[in-house]
Amino acid sequence: NAGVTQTPKFRVLKTGQSMTLLCAQDMNHEYMYWYRQDPGMGLRLIHYSVGEGTTAKGEVPDGYNVSRLKKQNFLLGLESAAPSQTSVYFCASSRHVGGAGQPQHFGDGTRLSIL
Amino acid sequence: SQQGEEDPQALSIQEGENATMNCSYKTSINNLQWYRQNSGRGLVHLILIRSNEREKHSGRLRVTLDTSKKSSSLLITASRAADTASYFCATDPIQGAQKLVFGQGTRLTINP
Repeated sequence: NAGVTQTPKFRVLKTGQSMTLLCAQDMNHEYMYWYRQDPGMGLRLIHYSVGEGTTAKGEVPDGYNVSRLKKQNFLLGLESAAPSQTSVYFCASSRHVGGAGQPQHFGDGTRLSIL
Repeated sequence: SQQGEEDPQALSIQEGENATMNCSYKTSINNLQWYRQNSGRGLVHLILIRSNEREKHSGRLRVTLDTSKKSSSLLITASRAADTASYFCATDPIQGAQKLVFGQGTRLTINP
């Protein structure tokens, strides 16, 4: 049981380049999330999805786009990378049970450097 | 803006001692969760305490929640070197649509 898998694990980009980060979960979870983690800032929510075909903005969505065409996959795109987007990106998923929050399951992150 | 604030930011203790970390938050919540993050890894869920609960145990972990003070604490008893990690509290705001809001974390170091 792999849980949440993120691809790639590391990437270096030049300013202005684009890329897509892939997150895959095999737990049949309805909810999926993308966070970024910066030193001293904790985790900040970029975008999230409450089900296949749905996406919504989080706390820091600017410069990012997402798609959830399949329930098990959640893609995070950077159309024109900027140095300020240098960070560690985490994907997470959780079950939907009524209206209360459930534990989130995290991948091991993608370390992204923008030069 | 982040809701949770953790105290202390860093804690260093000897193996076998107890470690206590605190979390304060600002708005009403459905529940509060604690996570551990080992260096270079993702977060791992430790324990969830609902707003109508005051204390919860899981192995060597004890979590308390005081909704009147909007605060929580995580106690790790009889610490081990393997407990060295960062610990984060995360709140599930009542109007947050299951969007957790994470604190900045406490960096715990257990010295052998």
